[in-house]
Amino acid sequence: KQEVTQIPAALSVPEGENLVLNCSFTDSAIYNLQWFRQDPGKGLTSLLLIQSSQREQTSGRLNASLDKSSGRSTLYIAASQPGDSATYLCAVRRWAAGNKLTFGGGTRVLVKP
Amino acid sequence: DVKVTQSSRYLVKRTGEKVFLECVQDMDHENMFWYRQDPGLGLRLIYFSYDVKMKEKGDIPEGYSVSREKKERFSLILESASTNQTSMYLCASSNFPSGRKDEQYFGPGTRLTVT
Repeated sequence: KQEVTQIPAALSVPEGENLVLNCSFTDSAIYNLQWFRQDPGKGLTSLLLIQSSQREQTSGRLNASLDKSSGRSTLYIAASQPGDSATYLCAVRRWAAGNKLTFGGGTRVLVKP
Repeated sequence: DVKVTQSSRYLVKRTGEKVFLECVQDMDHENMFWYRQDPGLGLRLIYFSYDVKMKEKGDIPEGYSVSREKKERFSLILESASTNQTSMYLCASSNFPSGRKDEQYFGPGTRLTVT
């Protein structure tokens, strides 16, 4: 059974600092991994999707890396801003699980001005 | 831009009522999903559908049913609402995988309270 873990559960940083968010998964037979952002009381917004054959994906200030062999992905957010405050979730899709995603518990981020 | 809409942002129902949650997507996606999100438990898959009139159980289907009569619409039904179904319900859709990117796109969520 796939398990996805995000540590820490919460993180507070001063504005301008780089953010590093971690995601680990137990079954390396994944199809892809997706990072989401969720604002309080809202739905999820897709940030980046990394296919299993890729090592990283970049979008603006966001960069996500994937190391399947060690079961890890890292989301980097450069030069954090107060508007980056949100909960960040990762989710993996396994080859054997059809279209189903397994989500981590999320990391709640607060960027202080 | 992909748009996934849900019929209500907030809903309050009484125990025993039949509840319908509607989800519509406008990107011709084959796959649609219903999740619930609870503090400390994260997102859990209730049901998903990979084609019209097709459905598969997720991790927590008990107490729920679904309907997909048209490709763009996926309904979640609580046959007899109970207080333990108070939760945030999230709908999502994605492309058929077939080697293409299959990001899941989420709706804004429905906060359901059962009293």
